[in-house]
Amino acid sequence: GAGVSQTPSNKVTEKGKYVELRCDPISGHTALYWYRQSLGQGPEFLIYFQGTGAADDSGLPNDRFFAVRPEGSVSTLKIQRTERGDSAVYLCASSDRGRDEQYFGPGTRLTVT
Amino acid sequence: AQTVTQSQPEMSVQEAETVTLSCTYDTSENNYYLFWYKQPPSRQMILVIRQEAYKQQNATENRFSVNFQKAAKSFSLKISDSQLGDTAMYFCAFMSVAGAGNNRKLIWGLGTSLAVNP
Repeated sequence: GAGVSQTPSNKVTEKGKYVELRCDPISGHTALYWYRQSLGQGPEFLIYFQGTGAADDSGLPNDRFFAVRPEGSVSTLKIQRTERGDSAVYLCASSDRGRDEQYFGPGTRLTVT
Repeated sequence: AQTVTQSQPEMSVQEAETVTLSCTYDTSENNYYLFWYKQPPSRQMILVIRQEAYKQQNATENRFSVNFQKAAKSFSLKISDSQLGDTAMYFCAFMSVAGAGNNRKLIWGLGTSLAVNP
């Protein structure tokens, strides 16, 4: 079956602009995670969805970051007033309820100029 | 808070030889999972192997095996018969399974860049 997909693959934007990053999880997976991977670093947890609700958003760095998952499937990570420090690869992962293995998408590389 | 430490930023190995990547972690919990993920230049994070903390037996997956030392909080990855396709970043990750709400977020190390040389 299809894996986790993320669009766009790459996004270049100017400082101060608004961006949306999309994640399409594996069909039927109820858990969805967003991670951010800065250059030379390991991924860092941002937010976790169980179904439609954000069950844990403790990793979001500030209120410029927001994520939604309105129908319990596709999720969108939204970043307002982007800053150069937001440049990173944003990874999405999904897993089936009751199972612990996370399946990752290829990531979106965000570059803020 | 849990932390994961990978002390080897870069490693190299000759094709067909064996290499071991180190990982240590810190936690006060007793119930957790540990993972090794591989990230090639394509950025796709691929699960290599997992270990449940309650299992004493070390996990193996074909050429990949781990040495899990729970008391020492050590979780090393051994790659046998290294192949050119093993060239990638390798990340060690910790997952708590003790909390409520089913949040299984991963806590990651900084990674080890492995180069397999022909």
